[in-house]
Amino acid sequence: GENVEQHPSTLSVQEGDSAVIKCTYSDSASNYFPWYKQELGKRPQLIIDIRSNVGEKKDQRIAVTLNKTAKHFSLHITETQPEDSAVYFCAAIRQTGANNLFFGTGTRLTVIP
Amino acid sequence: KAGVTQTPRYLIKTRGQQVTLSCSPISGHRSVSWYQQTPGQGLQFLFEYFSETQRNKGNFPGRFSGRQFSNSRSEMNVSTLELGDSALYLCASSFTGSTEAFFGQGTRLTVV
Repeated sequence: GENVEQHPSTLSVQEGDSAVIKCTYSDSASNYFPWYKQELGKRPQLIIDIRSNVGEKKDQRIAVTLNKTAKHFSLHITETQPEDSAVYFCAAIRQTGANNLFFGTGTRLTVIP
Repeated sequence: KAGVTQTPRYLIKTRGQQVTLSCSPISGHRSVSWYQQTPGQGLQFLFEYFSETQRNKGNFPGRFSGRQFSNSRSEMNVSTLELGDSALYLCASSFTGSTEAFFGQGTRLTVV
C-alpha cells in the first residue's frame, strides 16, 4: 500500500513569513495529492489539491508543487497569518473514484504574531 | 446542506467491551470512509464503503468492522476494545467520482 511521509512535524514561523511543508509518497501509481487543514478541535478540511498531470497549483497565499519523478510534493504558504495556525496533513491516492486517502502524520504550524 | 454527522461525539468504554459508531454522510454522497486519528500516527485509513459494499480496507485487525445501509449511513464497530483503540474516529463522505472528502466532527473514544 501507499506510504506517505511528512516533514516537519512542527513548524513555527513569524507572521508574514513563508512556511513550507514537504511530503514524499511511495506508490508511483498515486496521482491525486490533497492537503487538509485541521484547526484545533475541528474537522479536517480540504484547502488545495494537485493532480499528477500538473506540476504546480496556486490559490491566493497557498501553493502546492509536485515532483512525480522524485515522488514528493510540497505545500507553500506565503505571508502567513495567525489564522493559518493549524495541523496540516498531506495525502495521496490512486484516483480510482475511491475515497481511501493515505495521510502523512501531520505538521503543526504555529504562526507567531 | 447538512454536513457529515457522527454520533456519539464522545464515548468512554472499558477494555474488552465493544462499541458502535455512526456516520451520516452528506445527502447524495454514497462513499463513506473511516479514519482513526491518534497523536502519534496521524490519520490512518480504516475502510471505505460504497453502495453498501466495502470497497477498500486499511491495515487494521479484524476487530474493526463496518457496514453501510441503503441510505448510505455507515456504522463502524470495534470489538474487544483495547487501550490502544483510544482515538478520534473520523468518517468522511464523498460524491461519486469525486475524491474530495468531507469529514465529520469525529467520535472521541476513550478506552479505560
